Amino acid sequence: NAGVTQTPKFRVLKTGQSMTLLCAQDMNHEYMYWYRQDPGMGLRLIHYSVGEGTTAKGEVPDGYNVSRLKKQNFLLGLESAAPSQTSVYFCASSMRETQYFGPGTRLLVL
Amino acid sequence: AQSVAQPEDQVNVAEGNPLTVKCTYSVSGNPYLFWYVQYPNRGLQFLLKYITGDNLVKGSYGFEAEFNKSQTSFHLKKPSALVSDSALYFCAVASGNNRLAFGKGNQVVVIP
Repeated sequence: NAGVTQTPKFRVLKTGQSMTLLCAQDMNHEYMYWYRQDPGMGLRLIHYSVGEGTTAKGEVPDGYNVSRLKKQNFLLGLESAAPSQTSVYFCASSMRETQYFGPGTRLLVL
Repeated sequence: AQSVAQPEDQVNVAEGNPLTVKCTYSVSGNPYLFWYVQYPNRGLQFLLKYITGDNLVKGSYGFEAEFNKSQTSFHLKKPSALVSDSALYFCAVASGNNRLAFGKGNQVVVIP
């Protein structure tokens, strides 16, 4: 089992560019989450999904969109990247309360 | 809203000494509480959780946590710290729809 994987590991964008972060899990989990981690601020929930075909807003959803077309995948999109979106992005999945995390994507927006 | 607080930014401890990382919570109803650890340039790893039952919860890597309802605390402990325990530790509380609300994290530095 690979668990939770994230693609890419690192990316540099220019302001205004778009990109998609991919999260995949092979544990047949219903729930999936996207977080961002910034120094001194812990993890903040961007969007989450309670099952295939569903998405919901978290704590900091502005500037991001998500899609869950397949149960095993959860995509996070940035339509027009801004320097404030420079962060480390983590995906997680769960069947119940305990979440399992991917290794993260480090994004730098110039 | 459910929340947790980790009052210390950094905890320094000598190798071999007991390690305590503090967490207090604020919830309506019964809390589901978690501890995660993050090593440099890695994702978060689950350490342990309290759902119900015994107030002392044992987890991975020799860690344990004590749930104290009267003090609304869930402190993480290890009897004898190792240099390899140096990492970022997060306390979290379940907040509906299997979401978690995380604290800001505690950097633990174990000094050889």
